[in-house]
Amino acid sequence: RKEVEQDPGPFNVPEGATVAFNCTYSNSASQSFFWYRQDCRKEPKLLMSVYSSGNEDGRFTAQLNRASQYISLLIRDSKLSDSATYLCVVNAMDSSYKLIFGSGTRLLVRP
Amino acid sequence: NAGVTQTPKFQVLKTGQSMTLQCAQDMNHEYMSWYRQDPGMGLRLIHYSVGAGITDQGEVPNGYNVSRSTTEDFPLRLLSAAPSQTSVYFCASWGTSDNEQFFGPGTRLTVL
Repeated sequence: RKEVEQDPGPFNVPEGATVAFNCTYSNSASQSFFWYRQDCRKEPKLLMSVYSSGNEDGRFTAQLNRASQYISLLIRDSKLSDSATYLCVVNAMDSSYKLIFGSGTRLLVRP
Repeated sequence: NAGVTQTPKFQVLKTGQSMTLQCAQDMNHEYMSWYRQDPGMGLRLIHYSVGAGITDQGEVPNGYNVSRSTTEDFPLRLLSAAPSQTSVYFCASWGTSDNEQFFGPGTRLTVL
């Protein structure tokens, strides 16, 4: 089993739609959780950290469910510019310095 | 600030050749890391460093060496390139104040 698993997609949604991605992780001791965004042929950039109580940043909401070991990202009112690959990231079992990246979920927002 | 810079942007090697991918950061970050990204896969950690003079192996270290003689620089050396090392390589750095990793623009390496 992969340490971090994501549905690869693609998710193809119209502008204005709400879309949700889930990610599961295998290390129950993980303490750090993130969503990164990666545009085609570009470097990943931090979208948001994920906190235990859940957190929101504008149209983006991240949730953490420790009991079920999954993380979610909700995007409301999708924009064309949201088209990208979203990477779920968790710290590794043996070190907080090591991050484990999921393979990403691709989102396509159409006009 | 330039952030994290990587050179070269593109490189083609023949099997058996060696080369060094350069990475530098100007944010005075303690931590730096190297990843490779293959099609359809997430980033995989090759090596990382928690400070000058301190390095450790990641998930896929075989065939690569690193050193960290200064805070700013973290070069990645391919000892004897193999076609399996064809990939996009990203360098990242981060500090102790938060966990956000800042990535360089990547080096696209092809080994023939």
